[in-house]
Amino acid sequence: AQSVTQLDSQVPVFEEAPVELRCNYSSSVSVYLFWYVQYPNQGLQLLLKYLSGSTLVKGINGFEAEFNKSQTSFHLRKPSVHISDTAEYFCAVSANDMRFGAGTRLTVKP
Amino acid sequence: DAGVIQSPRHEVTEMGQEVTLRCKPISGHDYLFWYRQTMMRGLELLIYFNNNVPIDDSGMPEDRFSAKMPNASFSTLKIQPSEPRDSAVYFCASSLRRQEQFFGPGTRLTVL
Repeated sequence: AQSVTQLDSQVPVFEEAPVELRCNYSSSVSVYLFWYVQYPNQGLQLLLKYLSGSTLVKGINGFEAEFNKSQTSFHLRKPSVHISDTAEYFCAVSANDMRFGAGTRLTVKP
Repeated sequence: DAGVIQSPRHEVTEMGQEVTLRCKPISGHDYLFWYRQTMMRGLELLIYFNNNVPIDDSGMPEDRFSAKMPNASFSTLKIQPSEPRDSAVYFCASSLRRQEQFFGPGTRLTVL
């Protein structure tokens, strides 16, 4: 079975700074990869996904992620964050079934 | 499309009572998932269905929990009897062919 590891449980960052949220996965078969965002008191919504093709994937709200097969990583990046990006971010991998990471709480400070 | 619909949005009950959570997936989706989210344990997969058939229920905490999917447009998660440690937000999600999951708004359950 596949697994997902989000390397940072919390990431504090100042507004307009760049951010990277790290995600590593393990799987013996080909996978689909996803990043979801959860704002307070809401459900999860899809930020971006990698199914195939270009390894650089662009999503909503200026986020992007790069699939690195050799390093089994799918890190999420944004060049300049806003206060409104404060949320919980989940990496997920889908192969035989879908597994979510433990989440990374991004806090953007003014 | 209305998205995944869950009801009720909030449920407050007393220990020992039966609780039923409901979910309507997105039309045409063939997978349905039930999750539980708490501060302590994060997001946990409880069970998922494919074409109305339960595939993996290894995440169901104990026999007090049961889930059904009588047809492609409806699923229930039942807790009987409920306990305070069942207090959590329960999410339902659906997907097409194991691709991205679409989550409902969740049901916040409080067991007193």
